[in-house]
Amino acid sequence: AQKITQTQPGMFVQEKEAVTLDCTYDTSDQSYGLFWYKQPSSGEMIFLIYQGSYDEQNATEGRYSLNFQKARKSANLVISASQLGDSAMYFCAMREKGGKLIFGQGTELSVKP
Amino acid sequence: GAGVSQTPSNKVTEKGKYVELRCDPISGHTALYWYRQSLGQGPEFLIYFQGTGAADDSGLPNDRFFAVRPEGSVSTLKIQRTERGDSAVYLCASSLYGGSNQPQHFGDGTRLSIL
Repeated sequence: AQKITQTQPGMFVQEKEAVTLDCTYDTSDQSYGLFWYKQPSSGEMIFLIYQGSYDEQNATEGRYSLNFQKARKSANLVISASQLGDSAMYFCAMREKGGKLIFGQGTELSVKP
Repeated sequence: GAGVSQTPSNKVTEKGKYVELRCDPISGHTALYWYRQSLGQGPEFLIYFQGTGAADDSGLPNDRFFAVRPEGSVSTLKIQRTERGDSAVYLCASSLYGGSNQPQHFGDGTRLSIL
């Protein structure tokens, strides 16, 4: 069965520094997609970045980049130049065949001023 | 608004009652998903609609849960004989196409509390 593992329940980072949130996945499919979502305390799920299994380049979206290591089955999120507004829960998710998302347990990021 | 809309935002009811949760997806999105999120957990898949039909309902926990999308737009999640364990945030998401790499866009959720 497909599975997403986020091993860091909580992370702290100093404002303006970079931080890496870990995500590993398990699948036997050759074609899959990996997503990262941000969930602030207000509760909405905000799409951040997507990486396809066949994409050769690591995905980037502004301050977000995805460190995709296919052989290791990892898809870590890198946030550069952290801001106070980045404090939130971050979820890694994998798209299964048919489109549904399987989510990890999440990592709570706290940005310190 | 242009986003996914869910109503009500909060619902408190007594054990054994029937509840309906509504989701209005982004206009033009053919795929609609329901998830359930318990406190401190990631969302868990319930059901996925492609158009009017349920393409995958493997996440529905039991036959007390049912969902419809009669015209391929708005969807309603229905829970019969509610139990305290049904308390959670119910999230709805939509995407342009299903089974694709299109990102799913989420609503703000309905927080359901069963007393």
